[in-house]
Amino acid sequence: GENVEQHPSTLSVQEGDSAVIKCTYSDSASNYFPWYKQELGKRPQLIIDIRSNVGEKKDQRIAVTLNKTAKHFSLHITETQPEDSAVYFCAASSIQTGANNLFFGTGTRLTVIP
Amino acid sequence: GAVVSQHPSWVICKSGTSVKIECRSLDFQATTMFWYRQFPKQSLMLMATSNEGSKATYEQGVEKDKFLINHASLTLSTLTVTSAHPEDSSFYICSAPPGGGSSYEQYFGPGTRLTVT
Repeated sequence: GENVEQHPSTLSVQEGDSAVIKCTYSDSASNYFPWYKQELGKRPQLIIDIRSNVGEKKDQRIAVTLNKTAKHFSLHITETQPEDSAVYFCAASSIQTGANNLFFGTGTRLTVIP
Repeated sequence: GAVVSQHPSWVICKSGTSVKIECRSLDFQATTMFWYRQFPKQSLMLMATSNEGSKATYEQGVEKDKFLINHASLTLSTLTVTSAHPEDSSFYICSAPPGGGSSYEQYFGPGTRLTVT
């Protein structure tokens, strides 16, 4: 099955700086890569996603890049703000008939220092 | 956007008893739902795929006789933790793709925190 690795496990940045979180995956059949933000005790919230036919996607301060050859993808947050502090999870999925199981990375706890 | 609810939001039960957790899609039909378990400060681990009208598909290492899944309608899936033990204490989260099994995006429920004493 799919194995998703995520680094770093914790990340502290000063407000206004950029944050980068990296993930690798093992299954070359994976074709959908979402990123979720989870606050303590709450549900994961999708912040951005990318499909395998695209190399980069941007939404305001958030961007994701995908390298299919190397099987890795990254989340970039620019101009970080204290409210960006949370745990971020990457995930990988392969859309198959009847199912699209998400396999999650181990998570990155981001702390933005005011 | 699509909304997924869970009930209860938290539950405390005694060791040896069974607990049922409901996952509902409120404004869309979900032929497929997913159940995840998340231990404190850890990632979400897929437990099983719930399929409306057929048996659930369990991930390796998940006991199907302990975690009973029923997907009785297009908007409801239930997870029953049978003979619960303290090690089953966890945050259980369901998700559903609004476009059915072929949809990329999934919407998550708010989670159910189970504490077994």
